[in-house]
Amino acid sequence: NAGVTQTPKFRVLKTGQSMTLLCAQDMNHEYMYWYRQDPGMGLRLIHYSVGEGTTAKGEVPDGYNVSRLKKQNFLLGLESAAPSQTSVYFCASMWAGKIYEQYFGPGTRLTVT
Amino acid sequence: AQTVTQSQPEMSVQEAETVTLSCTYDTSESDYYLFWYKQPPSRQMILVIRQEAYKQQNATENRFSVNFQKAAKSFSLKISDSQLGDAAMYFCAYRFWVGGSEKLVFGKGTKLTVNP
Repeated sequence: NAGVTQTPKFRVLKTGQSMTLLCAQDMNHEYMYWYRQDPGMGLRLIHYSVGEGTTAKGEVPDGYNVSRLKKQNFLLGLESAAPSQTSVYFCASMWAGKIYEQYFGPGTRLTVT
Repeated sequence: AQTVTQSQPEMSVQEAETVTLSCTYDTSESDYYLFWYKQPPSRQMILVIRQEAYKQQNATENRFSVNFQKAAKSFSLKISDSQLGDAAMYFCAYRFWVGGSEKLVFGKGTKLTVNP
């Protein structure tokens, strides 16, 4: 199993450009998450999905959109990138149920200039 | 508001010694779960240990153990026989449910340095 993978690993955008981050998991997990991590901060939840075709807002959803067309993939989109979106983005997945932990991807470092 | 506080931004320990990382949380929920995650320089978040709030017994995973004090809302991590590979950022996290929606809140992390 590859676990949770993220594409790309690094990206530099200019203000106003758009891009999509891809998260893929091969563990047949129902739940998937997108977080951002900023210096001196813990992870903050952007959006999450509890199943194919469903998404929900997290703590900091503004400026981002997501889609979960396939169970194994969770896409995070930035329509018009801003310098405030410079961050490291982590995807995670989890079995449905209370007793399980989230499995994290390796992260994507995004810089918006 | 649900919050997780890690009061030690940085800690250091000598190799083979024991270190304790502190975490407190604020909640009005009765059903929740607590986690410690490790983030090495590679950035990958790795689960270290988890604790179900309804269990009184403290969780243990090899050299890692927790001191869970539910009434005090405290969840500290003890690392015994510290190894160089334990050097990382450690994050405390708290999972709870509100209106059927899951919430996972992370603390700001503690940077652990292990000195040879």
